Amino acid sequence: GAGVSQTPSNKVTEKGKYVELRCDPISGHTALYWYRQSLGQGPEFLIYFQGTGAADDSGLPNDRFFAVRPEGSVSTLKIQRTERGDSAVYLCASSPGSGGRTDTQYFGPGTRLTVL
Amino acid sequence: QQPVQSPQAVILREGEDAVINCSSSKALYSVHWYRQKHGEAPVFLMILLKGGEQKGHEKISASFNEKKQQSSLYLTASQLSYSGTYFCGTRPLIQGAQKLVFGQGTRLTINP
Repeated sequence: GAGVSQTPSNKVTEKGKYVELRCDPISGHTALYWYRQSLGQGPEFLIYFQGTGAADDSGLPNDRFFAVRPEGSVSTLKIQRTERGDSAVYLCASSPGSGGRTDTQYFGPGTRLTVL
Repeated sequence: QQPVQSPQAVILREGEDAVINCSSSKALYSVHWYRQKHGEAPVFLMILLKGGEQKGHEKISASFNEKKQQSSLYLTASQLSYSGTYFCGTRPLIQGAQKLVFGQGTRLTINP
């Protein structure tokens, strides 16, 4: 089956603009995660959805960042008034969502966001 | 708090062995190991659960020392395809916590 897909693969925008990043999880996975990865660093947690609801948004850096998952499948990460410091690779992951000890997260290829 | 990985980088010749360590200051529920090649998604390797178990995957195995909150990834008889950056992702022992907290990564280079 298909893995996690993310669009666009690259996004270049100007400081102050609004961007949307899309994630299509593995079919049937109820849990969805957004991470941000800066150059030379490990992924940094942003937000976690179980179904349609955000179960943990403790990683969102500020109120310019917002994510939705209205139908419990596709998710969109929205960034308002982008800043140069937002430049990074935004990774999406999904898991079966059992919440059990072996619930494994599978990552998509990421969206590389560059804010000029 | 981010787990600490060591070493930060290692260069091997094909066929040599490597050990990558991941240490946390917090009690852990599980440790997840991933490999990421440049410009690609992190690929899941294995998960180690609270209980001090050891797992294997081809010539890659790992252990989890619950007392030390430390996991080690062992790569034996390394192949060129093992090159990449290895990350440990830790799940804290907190009710309901699902997020992974990743280390800074260990860059592994395998030369022929």
